Amino acid sequence: EPEVTQTPSHQVTQMGQEVILRCVPISNHLYFYWYRQILGQKVEFLVSFYNNEISEKSEIFDDQFSVERPDGSNFTLKIRSTKLEDSAMYFCASRGGLAGSYEQYFGPGTRLTVT
Amino acid sequence: AQRVTQPEKLLSVFKGAPVELKCNYSYSGSPELFWYVQYSRQRLQLLLRHISRESIKGFTADLNKGETSFHLKKPFAQEEDSAMYYCALSGRNRDDKIIFGKGTRLHILP
Repeated sequence: EPEVTQTPSHQVTQMGQEVILRCVPISNHLYFYWYRQILGQKVEFLVSFYNNEISEKSEIFDDQFSVERPDGSNFTLKIRSTKLEDSAMYFCASRGGLAGSYEQYFGPGTRLTVT
Repeated sequence: AQRVTQPEKLLSVFKGAPVELKCNYSYSGSPELFWYVQYSRQRLQLLLRHISRESIKGFTADLNKGETSFHLKKPFAQEEDSAMYYCALSGRNRDDKIIFGKGTRLHILP
């Protein structure tokens, strides 16, 4: 069964550095998402992406964040200048394009630690 | 406001006993309701959704629009049910985000 994959599984970075989190969605899916979960808190929506543009973004997704689908298979989340409060588990998800298919398939997550 | 509330952070239940994980929601419109499960060291995976009315691994959930609830139930708990359970909703647009509750950790006691 196809799965969403994410790399790396754990990323440690210093405050102020740029990080890129990578995701490979399921190949025939059309809708892509990033969520994050700060330790002990709930999973929060960051951004949705469809047809090569952002569909919706949350208040968390400020100018420091960007997403890209550079080559038709990868879906990346970039944080330009990381802050301590960006430390969290980041989940990528994808969904197919069929009518009525609301299920989002999640990747295993990338744990980002900002020191 | 769009919100999902799971009042219990932790629920401990003896093996063979019934399980009920509570979920209430707030949404203007008709959302899709889901339960996601995360077993230890595994990814989030969909357990069930209200429109399919399925029973997965013995779990069921009934949408009560009057009480805006979507409680998850299982008549007889099994040890392998120990996991983190998240109630969630989304709108019915194609690219709608999922809004999660804070999750309930279910611990099945032997």
